[in-house]
Amino acid sequence: EAGVTQFPSHSVIEKGQTVTLRCDPISGHDNLYWYRRVMGKEIKFLLHFVKESKQDESGMPNNRFLAERTGGTYSTLKVQPAELEDSGVYFCASSQRTVSGANVLTFGAGSRLTVL
Amino acid sequence: GEDVEQSLFLSVREGDSSVINCTYTDSSSTYLYWYKQEPGAGLQLLTYIFSNMDMKQDQRLTVLLNKKDKHLSLRIADTQTGDSAIYFCAESFRTGANNLFFGTGTRLTVIP
Repeated sequence: EAGVTQFPSHSVIEKGQTVTLRCDPISGHDNLYWYRRVMGKEIKFLLHFVKESKQDESGMPNNRFLAERTGGTYSTLKVQPAELEDSGVYFCASSQRTVSGANVLTFGAGSRLTVL
Repeated sequence: GEDVEQSLFLSVREGDSSVINCTYTDSSSTYLYWYKQEPGAGLQLLTYIFSNMDMKQDQRLTVLLNKKDKHLSLRIADTQTGDSAIYFCAESFRTGANNLFFGTGTRLTVIP
């Protein structure tokens, strides 16, 4: 079974530019999550899709961030325009639909974003 | 809130036991998790425990949960150099989207 794949693994852009991160979840996983870790800090929740619908986007920092999951398969996270504080590692994770049990997330390797 | 705290660093000698600690503030969590991140890799689930349990053991790993003190620990017996990584604890809740809330991670360094 292929895991969660993320692209690019590392992106270096200048402040004001646009970057789009992509995540391919495990096939058949309805849940898709985006998280971000800023250097030395906790991994923070950004948003959660169930299939193509945004279930919870309460963690999105501001309207410069736009996430989509067309057709309920892969997802993209666009940052436009990027600011210095957006630097960090963006993790994508997916899981099968859960009801009340443990939510076993499978993570991708992350996309490191550096904004200069 | 969902504050989850961990110490940032831990060093142990190869063969010793490692104990990584985590405290959380919201007692309504339903599951607590331990994830491991090796360099250049994603987070890998090590184990999780239901909040009504006190302990869970899985080979070299022992998870202890003190719900009264809101304290979770991960003990690694006979620590090996391959155990060097960042360890994250996380919690999830019955309500909402069952999202996971993570701590800062503890970087474990195993000294040969």
